[in-house]
Amino acid sequence: SSELTQDPAVSVALGQTVTITCQGDGLGDYYASWYQQKPGQAPILVIYGQNSRPSGIPDRFSGSSSGNTASLTITGAQAEDEGDYYCFSRDYPLYVFGTGTKVTVL
Amino acid sequence: QAHLAESGGGLVKPGGSLRLYCEVSGLIFSDYYMSWIRQAPGKGLEWVSYITNSGSVIYYADSVRGRFSISRDNAKNLLYLQMDSLKAEDTAIYYCAGGHRSETYYNHFRHWGQGTLVAVSS
Repeated sequence: SSELTQDPAVSVALGQTVTITCQGDGLGDYYASWYQQKPGQAPILVIYGQNSRPSGIPDRFSGSSSGNTASLTITGAQAEDEGDYYCFSRDYPLYVFGTGTKVTVL
Repeated sequence: QAHLAESGGGLVKPGGSLRLYCEVSGLIFSDYYMSWIRQAPGKGLEWVSYITNSGSVIYYADSVRGRFSISRDNAKNLLYLQMDSLKAEDTAIYYCAGGHRSETYYNHFRHWGQGTLVAVSS
């Protein structure tokens, strides 16, 4: 089975931009989705498809993909964006989550 | 407003069994593919199992295949996870999550429950 690799942790100054990446062999063939998880809470979907946001997700969250890398960008990070972020995609026929990235807003 | 509620978690001895439930409301359950996802204490998310909206296609992670069984009852809006031969490493919060069958291509879970804790220990 393949893996989806993410940087363990990143930090961003309040109001600045941060990009989280997710690398995996299958990402050239399958869409990735992105989830935000805060301590003690269930994950929530923030980005899916080419660059779609569920209702209620601020437009400072955006997604992109190139080759075997999917990316989540937070433009103008806010304190409430602090948390763990996971990518998710297909490891055909199965599924796999990324290793997770802890985002700290300074 | 969709609502997913897991239940059935608890403390079980190694080698034991447990059945998890996910009750779904606020959406047409029979239109949704579903998965179980778990998170061990202090660890990341791990996909466990998937079932299509009709129940005709099922997948399992290598770590649980042969020990866990996913099923659903669309008439009762219930998703199940039968867990047998439990091991200490199965200790985790178990979440149910789902997405609409028209969005299967996007590999995502729009709706999540709050999770139920399974602890495997002697």
